[in-house]
Amino acid sequence: EPEVTQTPSHQVTQMGQEVILRCVPISNHLYFYWYRQILGQKVEFLVSFYNNEISEKSEIFDDQFSVERPDGSNFTLKIRSTKLEDSAMYFCASSSGQGSYEQYFGPGTRLTVT
Amino acid sequence: DQQVKQNSPSLSVQEGRISILNCDYTNSMFDYFLWYKKYPAEGPTFLISISSIKDKNEDGRFTVFLNKSAKHLSLHIVPSQPGDSAVYFCAASAGNYGQNFVFGPGTRLSVLP
Repeated sequence: EPEVTQTPSHQVTQMGQEVILRCVPISNHLYFYWYRQILGQKVEFLVSFYNNEISEKSEIFDDQFSVERPDGSNFTLKIRSTKLEDSAMYFCASSSGQGSYEQYFGPGTRLTVT
Repeated sequence: DQQVKQNSPSLSVQEGRISILNCDYTNSMFDYFLWYKKYPAEGPTFLISISSIKDKNEDGRFTVFLNKSAKHLSLHIVPSQPGDSAVYFCAASAGNYGQNFVFGPGTRLSVLP
Protein backbone atom coordinates (compact mmCIF):
# COMPACT_ATOMS: atom_id res chain seq x y z
CA GLU A 1 0.00 0.00 0.00
CA PRO A 2 1.41 3.43 -0.92
CA GLU A 3 2.62 5.49 1.99
CA VAL A 4 4.21 8.82 2.81
CA THR A 5 7.85 8.54 3.81
CA GLN A 6 10.00 11.03 5.70
CA THR A 7 13.72 11.40 6.30
CA PRO A 8 15.50 11.62 8.60
CA SER A 9 13.57 10.05 11.43
CA HIS A 10 15.50 12.14 13.94
CA GLN A 11 17.47 15.32 13.37
CA VAL A 12 19.52 17.06 16.04
CA THR A 13 20.76 20.55 15.28
CA GLN A 14 22.18 23.56 17.06
CA MET A 15 20.21 26.75 17.49
CA GLY A 16 20.69 29.06 14.53
CA GLN A 17 21.45 26.27 12.07
CA GLU A 18 19.42 25.52 8.96
CA VAL A 19 17.63 22.21 8.64
CA ILE A 20 15.84 20.56 5.75
CA LEU A 21 13.24 17.91 6.42
CA ARG A 22 12.37 15.66 3.53
CA CYS A 23 9.20 13.91 2.51
CA VAL A 24 8.11 11.70 -0.34
CA PRO A 25 4.32 12.00 -0.65
CA ILE A 26 2.13 9.29 -2.15
CA SER A 27 2.90 9.32 -5.86
CA ASN A 28 -0.44 10.30 -7.40
CA HIS A 29 -1.35 12.83 -4.73
CA LEU A 30 -1.62 16.49 -5.63
CA TYR A 31 -1.77 18.26 -2.25
CA PHE A 32 1.02 18.27 0.29
CA TYR A 33 1.13 19.47 3.87
CA TRP A 34 3.41 19.97 6.81
CA TYR A 35 2.16 19.72 10.38
CA ARG A 36 4.05 19.73 13.62
CA GLN A 37 3.44 18.41 17.13
CA ILE A 38 5.35 19.85 20.03
CA LEU A 39 5.72 17.28 22.80
CA GLY A 40 2.51 17.01 24.80
CA GLN A 41 0.61 19.39 22.52
CA LYS A 42 -1.78 19.19 19.59
CA VAL A 43 -0.93 18.46 15.99
CA GLU A 44 -0.73 21.90 14.34
CA PHE A 45 -0.99 22.81 10.69
CA LEU A 46 1.95 24.64 9.14
CA VAL A 47 1.45 24.84 5.39
CA SER A 48 -0.27 23.30 2.39
CA PHE A 49 1.15 23.16 -1.12
CA TYR A 50 -0.46 22.60 -4.49
CA ASN A 51 0.63 23.12 -8.06
CA ASN A 52 4.08 24.28 -6.97
CA GLU A 53 2.90 26.99 -4.67
CA ILE A 54 1.72 27.49 -1.12
CA SER A 55 -2.06 27.37 -0.94
CA GLU A 56 -2.44 28.06 2.76
CA LYS A 57 -0.19 28.67 5.74
CA SER A 58 -0.63 29.19 9.46
CA GLU A 59 0.76 31.88 11.76
CA ILE A 60 3.49 29.46 12.78
CA PHE A 61 4.84 29.37 9.22
CA ASP A 62 6.81 32.59 9.33
CA ASP A 63 9.74 33.80 7.22
CA GLN A 64 12.04 31.24 8.81
CA PHE A 65 10.14 28.46 7.08
CA SER A 66 9.98 27.56 3.42
CA VAL A 67 8.75 24.61 1.39
CA GLU A 68 9.81 23.29 -1.95
CA ARG A 69 9.08 20.50 -4.35
CA PRO A 70 12.48 20.28 -5.99
CA ASP A 71 11.60 17.36 -8.24
CA GLY A 72 8.65 15.15 -9.04
CA SER A 73 8.78 13.16 -5.84
CA ASN A 74 10.26 15.09 -2.91
CA PHE A 75 8.62 17.74 -0.77
CA THR A 76 10.86 19.59 1.67
CA LEU A 77 10.47 21.85 4.68
CA LYS A 78 13.37 24.18 5.40
CA ILE A 79 13.85 26.04 8.66
CA ARG A 80 16.40 28.75 8.02
CA SER A 81 17.63 29.53 11.51
CA THR A 82 16.33 27.08 14.07
CA LYS A 83 15.17 28.13 17.52
CA LEU A 84 14.81 26.01 20.63
CA GLU A 85 11.03 26.21 20.30
CA ASP A 86 11.19 24.58 16.86
CA SER A 87 11.88 21.27 18.60
CA ALA A 88 8.92 19.07 17.66
CA MET A 89 7.75 16.14 15.55
CA TYR A 90 7.22 17.32 12.00
CA PHE A 91 4.72 15.38 9.94
CA CYS A 92 4.33 15.50 6.20
CA ALA A 93 0.96 14.57 4.71
CA SER A 94 -0.54 14.29 1.27
CA SER A 95 -4.00 14.04 -0.21
CA SER A 96 -5.16 13.02 -3.64
CA GLY A 97 -7.37 16.00 -4.34
CA GLN A 98 -9.53 13.75 -6.45
CA GLY A 99 -12.84 13.14 -4.76
CA SER A 100 -11.54 12.79 -1.22
CA TYR A 101 -10.14 15.12 1.40
CA GLU A 102 -8.39 12.51 3.51
CA GLN A 103 -4.80 13.37 4.32
CA TYR A 104 -2.30 10.58 4.78
CA PHE A 105 0.56 11.19 7.15
CA GLY A 106 4.18 10.11 7.16
CA PRO A 107 5.90 8.71 10.26
CA GLY A 108 7.37 12.09 11.19
CA THR A 109 10.80 13.59 11.78
CA ARG A 110 11.74 14.38 15.35
CA LEU A 111 13.65 17.67 15.32
CA THR A 112 15.70 18.48 18.41
CA VAL A 113 17.24 21.94 18.60
CA THR A 114 19.95 22.32 21.24
CA ASP B 1 -9.14 29.21 20.88
CA GLN B 2 -9.92 25.50 20.75
CA GLN B 3 -11.97 24.96 17.63
CA VAL B 4 -11.89 21.18 18.06
CA LYS B 5 -12.25 19.73 21.53
CA GLN B 6 -11.85 16.24 22.87
CA ASN B 7 -12.77 16.62 26.49
CA SER B 8 -11.68 13.18 27.63
CA PRO B 9 -7.89 12.97 27.69
CA SER B 10 -8.08 9.24 28.37
CA LEU B 11 -10.49 6.31 28.26
CA SER B 12 -10.16 2.71 29.43
CA VAL B 13 -12.36 -0.03 28.04
CA GLN B 14 -12.48 -3.79 28.48
CA GLU B 15 -11.62 -5.91 25.47
CA GLY B 16 -14.73 -6.85 23.49
CA ARG B 17 -16.76 -3.89 24.75
CA ILE B 18 -17.61 -0.72 22.88
CA SER B 19 -15.27 2.30 22.92
CA ILE B 20 -16.90 5.68 22.39
CA LEU B 21 -14.67 8.66 21.72
CA ASN B 22 -16.21 12.09 21.58
CA CYS B 23 -15.33 15.28 19.77
CA ASP B 24 -16.93 18.74 19.75
CA TYR B 25 -16.24 21.63 17.43
CA THR B 26 -17.12 25.30 17.46
CA ASN B 27 -16.54 26.46 13.90
CA SER B 28 -19.75 26.14 11.89
CA MET B 29 -17.70 26.28 8.65
CA PHE B 30 -16.33 22.81 9.35
CA ASP B 31 -18.06 20.25 7.21
CA TYR B 32 -15.61 17.41 6.86
CA PHE B 33 -14.24 15.36 9.72
CA LEU B 34 -11.60 12.71 10.09
CA TRP B 35 -10.55 10.38 12.87
CA TYR B 36 -6.90 9.43 13.16
CA LYS B 37 -5.20 6.87 15.37
CA LYS B 38 -1.66 7.50 16.54
CA TYR B 39 0.84 5.15 18.15
CA PRO B 40 3.90 6.57 19.92
CA ALA B 41 6.72 7.60 17.55
CA GLU B 42 4.48 7.13 14.48
CA GLY B 43 2.48 9.49 12.31
CA PRO B 44 -1.32 9.72 12.58
CA THR B 45 -3.06 6.90 10.69
CA PHE B 46 -6.31 7.75 8.94
CA LEU B 47 -9.25 5.70 10.25
CA ILE B 48 -12.54 7.02 8.99
CA SER B 49 -14.12 10.20 7.69
CA ILE B 50 -17.54 11.80 7.52
CA SER B 51 -18.91 14.70 5.59
CA SER B 52 -21.62 16.97 6.96
CA ILE B 53 -24.17 15.69 4.47
CA LYS B 54 -24.19 12.41 6.40
CA ASP B 55 -24.89 11.59 10.01
CA LYS B 56 -23.21 8.20 10.08
CA ASN B 57 -20.38 6.40 8.34
CA GLU B 58 -19.35 2.85 9.04
CA ASP B 59 -16.20 0.91 8.19
CA GLY B 60 -15.83 -2.48 9.81
CA ARG B 61 -15.53 -2.08 13.57
CA PHE B 62 -15.45 1.71 13.30
CA THR B 63 -18.50 3.94 13.06
CA VAL B 64 -18.52 7.71 13.16
CA PHE B 65 -21.66 9.63 14.06
CA LEU B 66 -22.13 13.31 13.34
CA ASN B 67 -24.68 15.57 15.01
CA LYS B 68 -24.29 18.78 13.07
CA SER B 69 -26.78 20.80 15.11
CA ALA B 70 -24.89 19.95 18.30
CA LYS B 71 -21.49 20.30 16.58
CA HIS B 72 -20.60 16.92 17.97
CA LEU B 73 -19.18 13.74 16.55
CA SER B 74 -18.26 10.43 18.06
CA LEU B 75 -16.24 7.41 17.06
CA HIS B 76 -17.50 4.00 18.09
CA ILE B 77 -15.22 1.01 18.07
CA VAL B 78 -16.90 -2.33 18.56
CA PRO B 79 -15.68 -4.77 19.63
CA SER B 80 -12.62 -3.08 21.10
CA GLN B 81 -9.33 -4.96 20.82
CA PRO B 82 -6.03 -4.47 22.69
CA GLY B 83 -4.42 -3.36 19.40
CA ASP B 84 -6.80 -0.40 19.38
CA SER B 85 -4.91 1.11 22.31
CA ALA B 86 -3.57 4.40 20.95
CA VAL B 87 -4.25 8.12 20.92
CA TYR B 88 -7.25 9.06 18.79
CA PHE B 89 -7.47 12.47 17.17
CA CYS B 90 -10.53 14.12 15.74
CA ALA B 91 -9.77 16.58 12.91
CA ALA B 92 -12.04 19.01 11.10
CA SER B 93 -11.87 21.14 8.00
CA ALA B 94 -14.05 23.21 5.74
CA GLY B 95 -13.81 20.43 3.19
CA ASN B 96 -11.90 22.09 0.40
CA TYR B 97 -8.97 20.48 -1.35
CA GLY B 98 -5.79 21.76 0.24
CA GLN B 99 -7.65 22.95 3.29
CA ASN B 100 -5.83 22.32 6.52
CA PHE B 101 -7.35 20.13 9.18
CA VAL B 102 -7.67 21.43 12.73
CA PHE B 103 -6.85 18.71 15.21
CA GLY B 104 -8.29 18.09 18.63
CA PRO B 105 -5.93 17.37 21.54
CA GLY B 106 -6.54 13.62 21.37
CA THR B 107 -7.95 10.92 23.62
CA ARG B 108 -5.72 8.10 24.81
CA LEU B 109 -7.65 4.82 24.57
CA SER B 110 -6.52 1.84 26.59
CA VAL B 111 -8.21 -1.47 25.81
CA LEU B 112 -7.67 -3.86 28.68
CA PRO B 113 -7.45 -7.60 28.00
